[in-house]
Amino acid sequence: EAQVTQNPRYLITVTGKKLTVTCSQNMNHEYMSWYRQDPGLGLRQIYYSMNVEVTDKGDVPEGYKVSRKEKRNFPLILESPSPNQTSLYFCASSLLEGFGSYNSPLHFGNGTRLTVT
Amino acid sequence: SQQGEEDPQALSIQEGENATMNCSYKTSINNLQWYRQNSGRGLVHLILIRSNEREKHSGRLRVTLDTSKKSSSLLITASRAADTASYFCATVTHQAGTALIFGKGTTLSVSS
Repeated sequence: EAQVTQNPRYLITVTGKKLTVTCSQNMNHEYMSWYRQDPGLGLRQIYYSMNVEVTDKGDVPEGYKVSRKEKRNFPLILESPSPNQTSLYFCASSLLEGFGSYNSPLHFGNGTRLTVT
Repeated sequence: SQQGEEDPQALSIQEGENATMNCSYKTSINNLQWYRQNSGRGLVHLILIRSNEREKHSGRLRVTLDTSKKSSSLLITASRAADTASYFCATVTHQAGTALIFGKGTTLSVSS
């Protein structure tokens, strides 16, 4: 089954304790992205990647890191989490058609609800 | 950077009625997409309309795009309780290139 898998689904941690949220897709998609969703603010893009070893900042990259060593995986790393990073996080992937154009839908994971105390 | 804005923010209707949601955006786009999100779950792609298209259908969904007004609408006909969800429009702009920018969504409640 074609899918985007995020782990864990729920995570409670304390301020400053490094954590990684994993994301894996089995659709051979070039494009992968992380979003956070907060009440009243909608979905905001954190980082995205157009292919292996290519990553770029989205709208809210501060406090986050990503890596794209393999096509299927795109982990989100919080080196020193803070309470303002408490949020619902989504990983998504898509085909990337053409030269920088984007005409394919995003496939989303089921989300990771992170609480930082 | 907010691009799409959905209207209304919330909509409550009875089963069998039609639901119309609108999306306005600010800059020229490559395409516009609509997604559905059931409570706390991942978003599911519904329909994509390219900038050179004016209308598109998929089952009970009808999407229109008016690039001169920078707006789109999503019509769900004969709504069902299972259509209860949040609906988001998302745009890919010429400037953003490979970023899909989401609006804040319309929450639809369909009661039986």
